[in-house]
Amino acid sequence: EAQVTQNPRYLITVTGKKLTVTCSQNMNHEYMSWYRQDPGLGLRQIYYSMNVEVTDKGDVPEGYKVSRKEKRNFPLILESPSPNQTSLYFCASSLGFSFKNIQYFGAGTRLSVL
Amino acid sequence: GQNIDQPTEMTATEGAIVQINCTYQTSGFNGLFWYQQHAGEAPTFLSYNVLDGLEEKGRFSSFLSRSKGYSYLLLKELQMKDSASYLCAVCGLLNAGNNRKLIWGLGTSLAVNP
Repeated sequence: EAQVTQNPRYLITVTGKKLTVTCSQNMNHEYMSWYRQDPGLGLRQIYYSMNVEVTDKGDVPEGYKVSRKEKRNFPLILESPSPNQTSLYFCASSLGFSFKNIQYFGAGTRLSVL
Repeated sequence: GQNIDQPTEMTATEGAIVQINCTYQTSGFNGLFWYQQHAGEAPTFLSYNVLDGLEEKGRFSSFLSRSKGYSYLLLKELQMKDSASYLCAVCGLLNAGNNRKLIWGLGTSLAVNP
């Protein structure tokens, strides 16, 4: 089954404790992206990757890191989480980033930073 | 700047028809998407318009007018399961180069009542 898999689905952590949210897709998609979604602010892009070893900042990259060593994986790293990073996070992938680049989303990771 | 406007909330009755509007101002235009998102779940693709006119897909239709910067999503024969947030997203230009960017609206929360 074609899918984008995120783990974990739920995470409660404390300020400053490094964490990684994994994202994997099995559709051989080139384009992958991380979003956060907050009430009243909608979906905001954190980082994106056009292909292996090619990553770039989105609209809200501060406090986050990503890597794209393999085509299928795009982990999101919070080196020193803070309470303002409490949010619902989505990973998404698409075949490329041209016309009709339908994005397929993972189920989401609900993160709480205390 | 680039922005997308859609109503925050709408209410409709089961079996009725509802139209959700989306207006946009973007640098460049490479297509408009509608996604459905149930509470706490991932967005899922509904429709894509790149040329003016109506695209019909079952109970859902989407219309685009590029000259007016306007789109709508039409939902017919409403069902309770259609209660969700509907996100409008436009593929515009990231910068003066040819890099594209997906700009998201904040979503319209639709409540379908019996």
